[in-house]
Amino acid sequence: KAGVTQTPRYLIKTRGQQVTLSCSPISGHRSVSWYQQTPGQGLQFLFEYFSETQRNKGNFPGRFSGRQFSNSRSEMNVSTLELGDSALYLCASSRGAMGNSPLHFGNGTRLTVT
Amino acid sequence: LAKTTQPISMDSYEGQEVNITCSHNNIATNDYITWYQQFPSQGPRFIIQGYKTKVTNEVASLFIPADRKSSTLSLPRVSLSDTAVYYCLVGDMLDNTNAGKSTFGDGTTLTVKP
Repeated sequence: KAGVTQTPRYLIKTRGQQVTLSCSPISGHRSVSWYQQTPGQGLQFLFEYFSETQRNKGNFPGRFSGRQFSNSRSEMNVSTLELGDSALYLCASSRGAMGNSPLHFGNGTRLTVT
Repeated sequence: LAKTTQPISMDSYEGQEVNITCSHNNIATNDYITWYQQFPSQGPRFIIQGYKTKVTNEVASLFIPADRKSSTLSLPRVSLSDTAVYYCLVGDMLDNTNAGKSTFGDGTTLTVKP
């Protein structure tokens, strides 16, 4: 079974630009969640989508948004990039039908904002 | 998400058994205990999940005492490639009451020496 795929693997953007990251979940998984990981803040929850609907949202500004398509693939968008947005962005998929479903993570997109 | 406490770091040698203990005094009745492993610049990888007593899979065992206030991840005969950060999570990471909080904590950095 193919794992969670995130593209691109690396990205360099300039402050003020916007970026779109993509995530393809494991086949059959309907929940996709996104996380930001930085050395200082650890792994922070951004949001979660289930069946194309945002089900949970973390404490991030509105510049961070996402969506999920009918095939469960998800995209995350960050607008008006700031230097502090430099991080490893991870997505995870799970069956999501009930609580405590283990998360299966992709290897992330390393975003550098200059 | 129940608060968890793990050792910040542990050292071991190849071939030894490693036990990492996680304390979670305020675990809720419906909470499962899940362990993840993370290598640098990769997403966390699901290792094992349990609710009570003992769970074993091909890579690890998870021991949970009757009061469920702690759990121990056991890695049999570690190798150099087991050097990673190990995270203990209790409860449902997608529970919206946890929005805005760091979901993985600092984890335990395990260093396996030759």
